[in-house]
Amino acid sequence: NAGVTQTPKFRVLKTGQSMTLLCAQDMNHEYMYWYRQDPGMGLRLIHYSVGEGTTAKGEVPDGYNVSRLKKQNFLLGLESAAPSQTSVYFCASSYSGQLQNNEQFFGPGTRLTVL
Amino acid sequence: AQRVTQPEKLLSVFKGAPVELKCNYSYSGSPELFWYVQYSRQRLQLLLRHISRESIKGFTADLNKGETSFHLKKPFAQEEDSAMYYCALSHGSSNTGKLIFGQGTTLQVKP
Repeated sequence: NAGVTQTPKFRVLKTGQSMTLLCAQDMNHEYMYWYRQDPGMGLRLIHYSVGEGTTAKGEVPDGYNVSRLKKQNFLLGLESAAPSQTSVYFCASSYSGQLQNNEQFFGPGTRLTVL
Repeated sequence: AQRVTQPEKLLSVFKGAPVELKCNYSYSGSPELFWYVQYSRQRLQLLLRHISRESIKGFTADLNKGETSFHLKKPFAQEEDSAMYYCALSHGSSNTGKLIFGQGTTLQVKP
């Protein structure tokens, strides 16, 4: 099993451009999450999904949109990229949010630079 | 506000020395606490969680509700323990699984 995969691994954008980050998991997990990792700030939750067709805002949702059309995929979109969105983006999934089943499995990350 | 604080950015110890990575939290309910670890060129992965009360790779962590702390300890550090460690909190009564992470501590174990 590949676990959690992220596409692309690296990307450089110009201010105002748009892009979509793809996260895929093959573990049949219900829950999926998008985080951003910035120096000195740890990981912060952008958006999450508790099942196919559902999404919800996390701690830092502004400037991002998400979709969960298929259970195995969770897409993160940047409609108009800004330099403040330069970061490393991590996707994660878990079987559920309940105790004992809420271990999150992480992807390898996408390094995004916005010029 | 819910918050997780890891006061040390970098902790450097010699091989065989004891290690304690500090984690303090602010949360009004019943939190679930975790330690996640990221080794060089590897993915972030779960190290241990407080409800399991187990030792993983020689590490233990005890939830101290009075001091709102969940420090990670190991009596004798090994070079392979060098990594970035994140303390994280989840709402114990929520089923969303959302995690609040601390800033992370880099552990450097010198030979």
